Amino acid sequence: LAKTTQPISMDSYEGQEVNITCSHNNIATNDYITWYQQFPSQGPRFIIQGYKTKVTNEVASLFIPADRKSSTLSLPRVSLSDTAVYYCLVGTGNTGGFKTIFGAGTRLFVKA
Amino acid sequence: ETGVTQTPRHLVMGMTNKKSLKCEQHLGHNAMYWYKQSAKKPLELMFVYSLEERVENNSVPSRFSPECPNSSHLFLHLHTLQPEDSALYLCASSQSQGAGETQYFGPGTRLLVL
Repeated sequence: LAKTTQPISMDSYEGQEVNITCSHNNIATNDYITWYQQFPSQGPRFIIQGYKTKVTNEVASLFIPADRKSSTLSLPRVSLSDTAVYYCLVGTGNTGGFKTIFGAGTRLFVKA
Repeated sequence: ETGVTQTPRHLVMGMTNKKSLKCEQHLGHNAMYWYKQSAKKPLELMFVYSLEERVENNSVPSRFSPECPNSSHLFLHLHTLQPEDSALYLCASSQSQGAGETQYFGPGTRLLVL
């Protein structure tokens, strides 16, 4: 199972772009990279997922280099409501069951 | 809303009590999950069900007993819990167990064991 490493915490100000990088050196060929957001006392919420190169949706962008050993979640122009924990997951489904390993995540604190 | 509901939202129980947590998904998914999240710790996957069959059990103590009567409902039966079992218990579902399947989480049940 690919283990992920993220910064424990980050601070930012409203209106700034925030980039959170996740390392996953042992990523396997079949693994996808998924990012979730979690507010206190709530379940995680899917943000974005990718396999390679760049993915963009209405919330964020995900940059994945060619070797796929890392990925960067980019949040454009953050607001106070983006203060949350962000999890990077690397996982695959197989006949033996879907294994999801959540790391400690990155606590993003957005200040006014 | 995520389409995954959990009841109760909060639960306080003694170590000798028996209680059950309920999860229901309205998304037509075939896989359901139980997670435990202790204070300031990562989420821990407890159980995975696919098409009502348990396919994953991550060395969870027997005082936690899951039940999946159909693809829309998932229960976690609790008995003789310990104070260290106090945590946020999250239910999630996904379309299948396939590679890269997105999981949709419920709001969780905040459990306090006295």
